[in-house]
Parts: sequence; C-alpha cells; structure tokens
Amino acid sequence: NAGVTQTPKFQVLKTGQSMTLQCAQDMNHNSMYWYRQDPGMGLRLIYYSASEGTTDKGEVPNGYNVSRLNKREFSLRLESAAPSQTSVYFCASSEGTHIEAFFGQGTRLTVV
Amino acid sequence: GENVEQHPSTLSVQEGDSAVIKCTYSDSASNYFPWYKQELGKRPQLIIDIRSNVGEKKDQRIAVTLNKTAKHFSLHITETQPEDSAVYFCAAWGSQGNLIFGKGTKLSVKP
Repeated sequence: NAGVTQTPKFQVLKTGQSMTLQCAQDMNHNSMYWYRQDPGMGLRLIYYSASEGTTDKGEVPNGYNVSRLNKREFSLRLESAAPSQTSVYFCASSEGTHIEAFFGQGTRLTVV
Repeated sequence: GENVEQHPSTLSVQEGDSAVIKCTYSDSASNYFPWYKQELGKRPQLIIDIRSNVGEKKDQRIAVTLNKTAKHFSLHITETQPEDSAVYFCAAWGSQGNLIFGKGTKLSVKP
C-alpha cells in the first residue's frame, strides 16, 4: 500500500519548456488535489478533482492544466514553464470532503 | 471564497513549555478542521482534527479547540519536546469541496 505517489521527485526546467507532474493513489479515493508550497506562503491549492471526471480551479490555477485520467491518477501540466513556477508541488487525495487528506512526497521543481 | 488565517508565523519556545497556534476561517459551512505537521523536507501529515460538533479534542500532548461561533480553532501542544520542531498547518474545507490551508507556523523548541 504505497498511498500517494508522485513522479518525478526533482526536476529542473528551462523557461518555456513543458512538463507533466504525475500523481497516483492506491487508496480508492474519490478526491485529488494539487498544491504548491513556497516559503512563507503555505500550501496553495492549484486545482482539485472532487470526483473522477471533474476538475476545478483552486487559488492559483494560472499557468497550469490538470487531467483526472482515471480514479487513481491526477496529473498537473505546465505548458510553458516560468521561473515563478519554481516551487515544491504536492499531490494529495481524500476519500471525500470533510475528511483526512493524504499527501505525496512532493516534487521539487526549479525553472531557470 | 474560503480563507484561513493562521498566527503566529513563527514560534519559539523552551523545551517543556506550551505552544499555541491559532486559526480563523471564513466559510460558515466548514465543519472539519485538520492540523498537519510538516518536518523539514517531508510531506505534511495529519496530527489531529476536530469536527464542528465538538469543542475540544485531545491526543496525549496535543489538543485542538474549536469556537464555531467565532470561527476560531487552535492547536495546543503541552510539554514541548525538540522533536515537536516543525511547520504546522491548519486547514478548513470549503463548501466547494476544496481544502484550504493556513500559511503555516514554524515552531522551534529549544533544548
């Protein structure tokens, strides 16, 4: 039982490059989330998926797209990376709302 | 939209002292309030949570209190130990099914 797994753990991109961060959970959770964590800013919600087939914008969605590929997987795509997107990205999942959310180990992304 | 304010941003205490972190939320529909602890370089992990039908919950040295009327909830850590040093986040669920976090409190416990 791996919980929430993110790939890659580390990534360096050049400005303008694109990439997809992968997230998968094996807990049969309905809801999944993408957060970014910057010093002093806490965990800010980028996008979330309350259930398979739905996605919604969070607090900071600009520059990102998401895909809820199936119930297990929720990917985050940067189409044209910018230095402002340098951050640690966390994926999380929960069985539903108003219940514990479990986090992946994070992806440290640097855009140069 | 939902907003969660957390104070203080940093907190330094001596080992054995108590630490208190406070949060306020804006969405009246919120009814579940988790607290997460994040050690350096690690993922956030749940340490305690409280639902709106109770005012206080304890788990050994950790307690959380909730004042739903005032939309306040607080984390209390007693007899702090160096291993309590970490960043602590409060959170609240928004009515849209989104989980919103406070900006975090960096707790340092000095031996």
